[in-house]
Amino acid sequence: DAGVIQSPRHEVTEMGQEVTLRCKPISGHNSLFWYRQTMMRGLELLIYFNNNVPIDDSGMPEDRFSAKMPNASFSTLKIQPSEPRDSAVYFCASRWDLHTGELFFGEGSRLTVL
Amino acid sequence: AQRVTQPEKLLSVFKGAPVELKCNYSYSGSPELFWYVQYSRQRLQLLLRHISRESIKGFTADLNKGETSFHLKKPFAQEEDSAMYYCALMGSSNTGKLIFGQGTTLQVKP
Repeated sequence: DAGVIQSPRHEVTEMGQEVTLRCKPISGHNSLFWYRQTMMRGLELLIYFNNNVPIDDSGMPEDRFSAKMPNASFSTLKIQPSEPRDSAVYFCASRWDLHTGELFFGEGSRLTVL
Repeated sequence: AQRVTQPEKLLSVFKGAPVELKCNYSYSGSPELFWYVQYSRQRLQLLLRHISRESIKGFTADLNKGETSFHLKKPFAQEEDSAMYYCALMGSSNTGKLIFGQGTTLQVKP
């Protein structure tokens, strides 16, 4: 298995543009997490899903952020419109069960908003 | 509310020196605690979890419920230990919510 796959690896965009980050979890994993990494705040949990259903989105910073998981093998995190303060590394992670098991991370998507 | 605090952004030690990466948490129940590590150009990965009570790569961590701490320790640091370390907490409410601290960069100098 190639592990959790994220795309794009790097994205540079201008303020106001829409950004879509993609994630493919490990096959068989039922839970998927989106985190944002910044120097100041470390790893912040944005939202997580179990069996494709959002469980907790209280970490989503604003209405500009949205996430979907249309099926067990794909999730998106969308920012519309993007702002410079959204610049960060966004990680997707999955594990086979919501309550147990190791969390496996993707390589991250580095977003720069100019 | 769940909260994890890592007070040090950067910890710099010489090879062979003892290492202690601090982690304090806030949670009203009985949490599960973890340490994750991110080596240069590698993915974030699990290092150890408190329920396993194991030593990985010479690192250990003991959950101190009285002090609400889960510090990561190693008696003799190696250069290959240089990495970013994150402490993480999952609450006992079984929501599955896993939150992380701000991270500490460990720099082991030769």
